[in-house]
Amino acid sequence: DTGVSQDPRHKITKRGQNVTFRCDPISEHNRLYWYRQTLGQGPEFLTYFQNEAQLEKSRLLSDRFSAERPKGSFSTLEIQRTEQGDSAMYLCASSSPGRRWYEQYFGPGTRLTVT
Amino acid sequence: TQLLEQSPQFLSIQEGENLTVYCNSSSVFSSLQWYRQEPGEGPVLLVTVVTGGEVKKLKRLTFQFGDARKDSSLHITAAQPGDTGLYLCAGGVWQGAQKLVFGQGTRLTINP
Repeated sequence: DTGVSQDPRHKITKRGQNVTFRCDPISEHNRLYWYRQTLGQGPEFLTYFQNEAQLEKSRLLSDRFSAERPKGSFSTLEIQRTEQGDSAMYLCASSSPGRRWYEQYFGPGTRLTVT
Repeated sequence: TQLLEQSPQFLSIQEGENLTVYCNSSSVFSSLQWYRQEPGEGPVLLVTVVTGGEVKKLKRLTFQFGDARKDSSLHITAAQPGDTGLYLCAGGVWQGAQKLVFGQGTRLTINP
């Protein structure tokens, strides 16, 4: 049973560039979540998909951020015109259909550094 | 806004000692998860508690959910250097979004 995978693991970019991250959830999981974690803090919720539908977006997700899950499988998170404040670990999690949605399994994360 | 406060934020103890980490909120959560995170990796789920007063044991780790489902504790007996890591509590929120609200974490160091 493969877990949640994320690609790339590390990304260094210059301010103003666009970046895109990919998340592949556990295969039978229909719920997918994106979180952001800055140094010394716990993860913060960004957005949530159930199948291909994006059901909730945090106020943290400015209009420079967009997330998609076109076929209800993998998801992408794009950041346009990156800023130094976007430097963080971006975490993807998934959970199974049914009542235990709160048992979220995380990927290894993508560490973004904006220079 | 639902917040979870963890205490202590940092804890350094000797191998063999016992410790307790607390996770408190003024809000009620539908569930409470504990995760452990290593540097540069994602959080790994340790346990889920959903019923007020629930106690779960995982080897030397004991997890408790408060009766009112607003707080939780993690107790480690006879800590070992392999227990070193960042411990995160996370509350399940189901108000429109199904999301987890995380505490800021407790960085635990067990010295040999």
